[in-house]
Parts: sequence; C-alpha cells; structure tokens
Amino acid sequence: NAGVTQTPKFRVLKTGQSMTLLCAQDMNHEYMYWYRQDPGMGLRLIHYSVGEGTTAKGEVPDGYNVSRLKKQNFLLGLESAAPSQTSVYFCASSYWGGETQYFGPGTRLLVL
Amino acid sequence: GNSVTQMEGPVTLSEEAFLTINCTYTATGYPSLFWYVQYPGEGLQLLLKATKADDKGSNKGFEATYRKETTSFHLEKGSVQVSDSAVYFCALKNTGNQFYFGTGTSLTVIP
Repeated sequence: NAGVTQTPKFRVLKTGQSMTLLCAQDMNHEYMYWYRQDPGMGLRLIHYSVGEGTTAKGEVPDGYNVSRLKKQNFLLGLESAAPSQTSVYFCASSYWGGETQYFGPGTRLLVL
Repeated sequence: GNSVTQMEGPVTLSEEAFLTINCTYTATGYPSLFWYVQYPGEGLQLLLKATKADDKGSNKGFEATYRKETTSFHLEKGSVQVSDSAVYFCALKNTGNQFYFGTGTSLTVIP
C-alpha cells in the first residue's frame, strides 16, 4: 500500500515549456486535490476532483489544467510555465466526505 | 468566506518546554478543524482533528480544543521533544469538502 505517490520529485523548466505532474493513490479515494506551497502562503488549492471524470477550480487555478481519467490518477498540467509557478506541489486524496486528507511527498518545480 | 490565521513563526523552544501555537478561523457554517504536521522533505500528515464545537482532538501528546465562541483551535503540548521539530498547519474543512490551510508555523526544539 503505497498511499499517495507523485511523479516527478523534482523538475527544472524553462519559461514557456510544458509539463505534467502525476499523482496516484491506491486507497480507492473519491476526492483528489492539487495544492501549491509557497513560503509565507501556506497551501493553496489549485484544482480538485470529486470523482473520475470530474474536476473543479480551487483558489489559484490560472495557468494550470487537470484531468482525472482514472479514479486513482490525477494529473496537473502546465501548458506554458512561468517563473511565478516555481513552487512545491502537493497532491492529496480523501474518501467522499472524508475528514482526513492524505498527502503525497511533493514535487519541487523550478521555472527559470 | 473561509480562512485560517495562525501565529507566525519561527518558534524555538528548549526540550521539555510548553508549546502553544495559536490558530483562529473564519468560516461559514460549521467547519471541521485540523492540525497537520510537515516534517522536513515530506508531505503533510494529519496530527489531530475536531469536528464540532467543544471537541478536543489529541495525538502524540498534542491537544487542541474547538472553541466556537472564540473561533479558535490552538495547539498545545506540555513537553516538547527534539523530534517535534516540524512545520505545523492549522486547517478547516467546510461543508463543500474544500480545505483551507493557514500559513504554517515552524517549530524548532533544541536539546
């Protein structure tokens, strides 16, 4: 039981490049979330999903897209990376109506 | 709207000292409240939670009481250890299943 895993762990991009971050969970959770963590800002919700095939915007969705084609996977895409997207990205999952989120180890992204 | 405000750090304590990290919230409806902990290089882990007013969450010697009248959920521990060094996040979950996190408080415990 791996819990929540994230790929890659670290990535460097140049401005304008695109990439996809993968989150996978093996707990059969309905809900999945993408957050970014910046110094002095805490965690801010980017997008979330309440089930396979559904997604919704969070607090800071601009510049990101997501897809949830399979229940266990939640992908976060950056179509044209900007330096302002330099951050640590965390994925989390929970049961429907669950009170507890389970977090992945994070992906550190640097955009030059 | 929904928001969480927690005391700014960093906090540095000697081993066996008493810890308090303040957290207040603004929310619509009746949220659930949480404390998460993040150890260096890792993701967040749930430390404790409370789902209704006057509930006390506790785990690993940490405690927090859901105070609706003061909209607070302060984290306390009577005797901290070096292994408690981490970043602590207060959070709330509203009825829409979205979570709102505070900015985090860094704690360093020195021997």
